[in-house]
Amino acid sequence: DAKTTQPPSMDCAEGRAANLPCNHSTISGNEYVYWYRQIHSQGPQYIIHGLKNNETNEMASLIITEDRKSSTLILPHATLRDTAVYYCIVRDYSGTYKYIFGTGTRLKVLA
Amino acid sequence: NAGVMQNPRHLVRRRGQEARLRCSPMKGHSHVYWYRQLPEEGLKFMVYLQKENIIDESGMPKERFSAEFPKEGPSILRIQQVVRGDSAAYFCASSPVTKKTGRFNYGYTFGSGTRLTVV
Repeated sequence: DAKTTQPPSMDCAEGRAANLPCNHSTISGNEYVYWYRQIHSQGPQYIIHGLKNNETNEMASLIITEDRKSSTLILPHATLRDTAVYYCIVRDYSGTYKYIFGTGTRLKVLA
Repeated sequence: NAGVMQNPRHLVRRRGQEARLRCSPMKGHSHVYWYRQLPEEGLKFMVYLQKENIIDESGMPKERFSAEFPKEGPSILRIQQVVRGDSAAYFCASSPVTKKTGRFNYGYTFGSGTRLTVV
């Protein structure tokens, strides 16, 4: 079973920041948080990942709470092309490295 | 540097036929993962393979499904005697050898998938 819970859907105005929350209250010390997105029926696309520090790359920022029980993916200036299903995943490096996807958040960016 | 290549993109099979789905990982990637996505659902893990080894097949149906990743050539997901319920998108992903620091592992790279339709 997925170790994360996300809201099923969100809307965001084009040009505004999209903040996508994720709860992972059972996360353990060696588990990383990964974010992927799936546009239409394409293959999932990697966005960002982190362990306990906040991370930023050219696509997004990842904010992880101090207790690591939740995180937020931030798309700073959402565009119509960011409309997708966003998946938050926790992954254990000591296991077989497989991802267990939850149901994700369907983000709709509105013009 | 080509990404993960899956073929065919679309596959139509009649009930009872066999389906073979191919996945060529990114150059230098030695780990392959297969996922299935039913219509309007999330991705479900099926199997994780390294060259010539099945590491985790906990998501594979017990019958009719098999996977391999030979020393040479692509990974193959094989479905025998397909049924309508096998209609889905099948995604393959690959990753390099994982390093524990995390900074050197940017996660999986997924292919574009094979859409299997059983008629």
